[in-house]
Amino acid sequence: DTGVSQNPRHKITKRGQNVTFRCDPISEHNRLYWYRQTLGQGPEFLTYFQNEAQLEKSRLLSDRFSAERPKGSFSTLEIQRTEQGDSAMYLCASSLGAGGINTIYFGEGSWLTVV
Amino acid sequence: DAKTTQPTSMDCAEGRAANLPCNHSTISGNEYVYWYRQIHSQGPQYIIHGLKNNETNEMASLIITEDRKSSTLILPHATLRDTAVYYCIVRVETYKYIFGTGTRLKVLA
Repeated sequence: DTGVSQNPRHKITKRGQNVTFRCDPISEHNRLYWYRQTLGQGPEFLTYFQNEAQLEKSRLLSDRFSAERPKGSFSTLEIQRTEQGDSAMYLCASSLGAGGINTIYFGEGSWLTVV
Repeated sequence: DAKTTQPTSMDCAEGRAANLPCNHSTISGNEYVYWYRQIHSQGPQYIIHGLKNNETNEMASLIITEDRKSSTLILPHATLRDTAVYYCIVRVETYKYIFGTGTRLKVLA
């Protein structure tokens, strides 16, 4: 399968701990996105990379959140000092940014439960 | 805020066509309409997109009105596996999608 890969798929952590999620985009896709989704809501945009450059961060991405994409390949999303409100599914997506069409392909998501 | 409005939920009998409407009255001339679906606990799955013309692929058909203010996603022969939340999205920026709450489609046996 050559789709977007995310791991771990599920993570349970205690409040105050740090967690890190990894995303491997579709190869040759230069754009990578992180979204967050809570129960009953649609995905919400968090941040976006073009190659290794992080070009936009949502206001939802507090100082406890940091995302990186070294060398423009895989990406990591780290949440420090987790809070119960961070419990959600974290979705990674990628696209081949070219011209006006920019279809985004999502991974299966990483579920975070903070207890 | 999402630039689209969709019914909260719909039911469809198995084997019948499912027609999912979407209003996007503020769409501008160069904005595409995208459709995704999300089956429980999985990531959103791309279905189809269009600009002006009707589009068809192996999954669905997309009918866009001439004024582009609304569109309809058609699943020609719905199966139980098509039960999902369907999102209609007008791309706000080239790199960002704004999702609404979508339409929860339930296919009934």
